[in-house]
Amino acid sequence: GAVVSQHPSWVICKSGTSVKIECRSLDFQATTMFWYRQFPKQSLMLMATSNEGSKATYEQGVEKDKFLINHASLTLSTLTVTSAHPEDSSFYICSALYGDAETQYFGPGTRLLVL
Amino acid sequence: SQKIEQNSEALNIQEGKTATLTCNYTNYSPAYLQWYRQDPGRGPVFLLLIRENEKEKRKERLKVTFDTTLKQSLFHITASQPADSATYLCALPPSGYSTLTFGKGTMLLVSP
Repeated sequence: GAVVSQHPSWVICKSGTSVKIECRSLDFQATTMFWYRQFPKQSLMLMATSNEGSKATYEQGVEKDKFLINHASLTLSTLTVTSAHPEDSSFYICSALYGDAETQYFGPGTRLLVL
Repeated sequence: SQKIEQNSEALNIQEGKTATLTCNYTNYSPAYLQWYRQDPGRGPVFLLLIRENEKEKRKERLKVTFDTTLKQSLFHITASQPADSATYLCALPPSGYSTLTFGKGTMLLVSP
């Protein structure tokens, strides 16, 4: 149990375009999901907390107008990188709170390359 | 804010030996601490959670200790195997939240 999927697993896009990444909890309902970004050899950096049916809570320094998060159902959260630029190239990972609300189950990640 | 320190240098050990990884934190002691495994290009996988009132926790070949006085957790893998090679992340919650702050992780390389 507690499987989280992400789609796509990798994406290459041109600078200025928008990219949508989906995060799904496959076998459980998740009222809370998280979005992280990880640069090479760096730790996971929390970008935002996504709660079903309400606005996401963004971490300091993360532009909410650039990284749009929608948690429309108990099994799906989406992250849209708007007007992507090369510096947005990174590994984006989502996670979902499961069970005791202390453990996070992570998706496999999405590698974004902006040319 | 909470700062987490994990040894940035890779740990190289021989198959069959016990690997010990360290996680140190500053400031307040969290209610619990978690360990995750991350393989290259993949999301982290949850391994163990240990609470502040637990000194030690075991799961198969894994053992975690939690010393709130030293502000340190040790993660042990006994009878290590090449398949254990990965980066191991320590994570703990900021006070009062269900979010997690992650360390940079320590890479473990187990050679046959």
